[in-house]
Amino acid sequence: DSGVTQTPKHLITATGQRVTLRCSPRSGDLSVYWYQQSLDQGLQFLIQYYNGEERAKGNILERFSAQQFPDLHSELNLSSLELGDSALYFCASSTSGTGTQETQYFGPGTRLLVL
Amino acid sequence: AQKITQTQPGMFVQEKEAVTLDCTYDTSDPSYGLFWYKQPSSGEMIFLIYQGSYDQQNATEGRYSLNFQKARKSANLVISASQLGDSAMYFCAMREGGGTYKYIFGTGTRLKVLA
Repeated sequence: DSGVTQTPKHLITATGQRVTLRCSPRSGDLSVYWYQQSLDQGLQFLIQYYNGEERAKGNILERFSAQQFPDLHSELNLSSLELGDSALYFCASSTSGTGTQETQYFGPGTRLLVL
Repeated sequence: AQKITQTQPGMFVQEKEAVTLDCTYDTSDPSYGLFWYKQPSSGEMIFLIYQGSYDQQNATEGRYSLNFQKARKSANLVISASQLGDSAMYFCAMREGGGTYKYIFGTGTRLKVLA
């Protein structure tokens, strides 16, 4: 158990809908990262937050948004869902997000299926 | 631009034998970190081992070791005495310094351990 929690574990929804994925980082970690992993694909970095502020942005679609709250949990909002958004969404956390030696620890992921 | 390459989409190894998973990287930043993660069929991402660019010795963690050849920009994962439970997808990742602090992942190598 990495200490990173994600809810829900599974989510089935329809095209055009909106969903929210939730992540709680490890105790003491200030930085949260979101990744998307499509079937048999590598991890695509979406976005990083540090202590409530956006730090880095990757290949995140405009239909997607995220935020990190004062208690450091984070939410990833996916709207106008398309079939291609079906994927495993990971949240990861690290201590400060500033060191090259800093290890990310991943949550169990949320498996999203868009029908 | 930083890049991670894993050229082996899939590999087989006999139980109890050692196996090397290849990873090459490309960066112009002198400060970086290299990571390996394991993703079993259950989907979670498990941190295995870390190597810093300034580390003089190869990293080791139990049966995992990292063959770090800085001049060649390679960071191969060596798994000794393979076990059936090692069957999984393995991802190499890199984090640069220089202010971006993004993690870049390779496309992964699927390892199958044979009994």
